[in-house]
Amino acid sequence: AQSVTQLDSHVSVSEGTPVLLRCNYSSSYSPSLFWYVQHPNKGLQLLLKYTSAATLVKGINGFEAEFKKSETSFHLTKPSAHMSDAAEYFCVVSPNSGGYQKVTFGTGTKLQVIP
Amino acid sequence: EAGVTQFPSHSVIEKGQTVTLRCDPISGHDNLYWYRRVMGKEIKFLLHFVKESKQDESGMPNNRFLAERTGGTYSTLKVQPAELEDSGVYFCASSQTGGVTDTQYFGPGTRLTVL
Repeated sequence: AQSVTQLDSHVSVSEGTPVLLRCNYSSSYSPSLFWYVQHPNKGLQLLLKYTSAATLVKGINGFEAEFKKSETSFHLTKPSAHMSDAAEYFCVVSPNSGGYQKVTFGTGTKLQVIP
Repeated sequence: EAGVTQFPSHSVIEKGQTVTLRCDPISGHDNLYWYRRVMGKEIKFLLHFVKESKQDESGMPNNRFLAERTGGTYSTLKVQPAELEDSGVYFCASSQTGGVTDTQYFGPGTRLTVL
């Protein structure tokens, strides 16, 4: 079984300040983990993914996430928020159990960036 | 390269009517997925095609939902008859290999409202 918990449904930051979006997972198998972003009226776009290589993963638009097995976490961070970062972010887990991919989504975190 | 496209972007129908959603995956992607997000809830898996075959349809809610992918290209998801609880956003995604670390590319979704 697998699950994802996004601890905050809404996060509000000021432009230029750091962003932290939290994600905890559980998985019976060593997982692959993804962060997707959805801007209004757009599809989900992949920000970054962890697939058992380096634990610190760098993605697009200055985002990065660190896989911490001991804490079962995969938090998303960005040093300085930009207005264009306002969107909804989804943490996604896929167990590396072989066979085809079967993903589970978190409930999403809406990021508000205040000018 | 064109991304995943979905049609229509919005659909408003009355309870008991039929609606058909369409998804065109990225060219060459054998794997096609359908997901649904009911308001306020997480994005949930519906089913997975590999080419024209249903690999996994464990997420389909009931037999009012019928998905097809004739010829292994585009896919349709028909809801007949629609019920109020079917309202939500239906996402389609495609990927190349379908492997556990593969990246799924999402369409913008179809927002279905059942009155």
